[in-house]
Amino acid sequence: ETGVTQSPTHLIKTRGQQVTLRCSSQSGHNTVSWYQQALGQGPQFIFQYYREEENGRGNFPPRFSGLQFPNYSSELNVNALELDDSALYLCASSSTGGQDEQYFGPGTRLTVT
Amino acid sequence: GDSVTQMEGPVTLSEEAFLTINCTYTATGYPSLFWYVQYPGEGLQLLLKATKADDKGSNKGFEATYRKETTSFHLEKGSVQVSDSAVYFCALRRWGSGNTGKLIFGQGTTLQVKP
Repeated sequence: ETGVTQSPTHLIKTRGQQVTLRCSSQSGHNTVSWYQQALGQGPQFIFQYYREEENGRGNFPPRFSGLQFPNYSSELNVNALELDDSALYLCASSSTGGQDEQYFGPGTRLTVT
Repeated sequence: GDSVTQMEGPVTLSEEAFLTINCTYTATGYPSLFWYVQYPGEGLQLLLKATKADDKGSNKGFEATYRKETTSFHLEKGSVQVSDSAVYFCALRRWGSGNTGKLIFGQGTTLQVKP
């Protein structure tokens, strides 16, 4: 059974640019949740996708958007990057709309300069 | 709104010492409670969980008891090892329809165990 994978591992962007992060969910899971973890902080919920629809959103501006594909993999897009967007971005996959255990990927470290 | 508060770190212990990391929460209803561990350079791993009051979660020698009367879920281990060095996160999640199952995390507590 393949676990949750994320790509890329690291990337560096310039303020104002756009970025796309990718997450492949664990086999059999139909739900992907995205979290932002700033340095020295706990992860914060960005949004969740369940069966290709957004199923809840945290306190993040609209420039954070996402997609889920028919194979349940997901993308997180961030437009107009700001310095404060520098963080570790974690995705977690689960079944049943997130009510079961969430399995986390290793994360993507984004640095905005 | 719902929130989780953990004791400030870092916590530095000698090998075989007793570990307690305090966690308290604020939430309506009856959330499920979790401890996650994050090793350097890695994502989060579920360490243990408890879904109702007085439940005790346990794994790899770690334990935590869901105390509704004190809204606490303190993590304990009787004898820590160097390999336990990591960041520990307490989290809650509310069940039921209309909830995304999103996890709400504390700020994390860094544990360093010295030989």
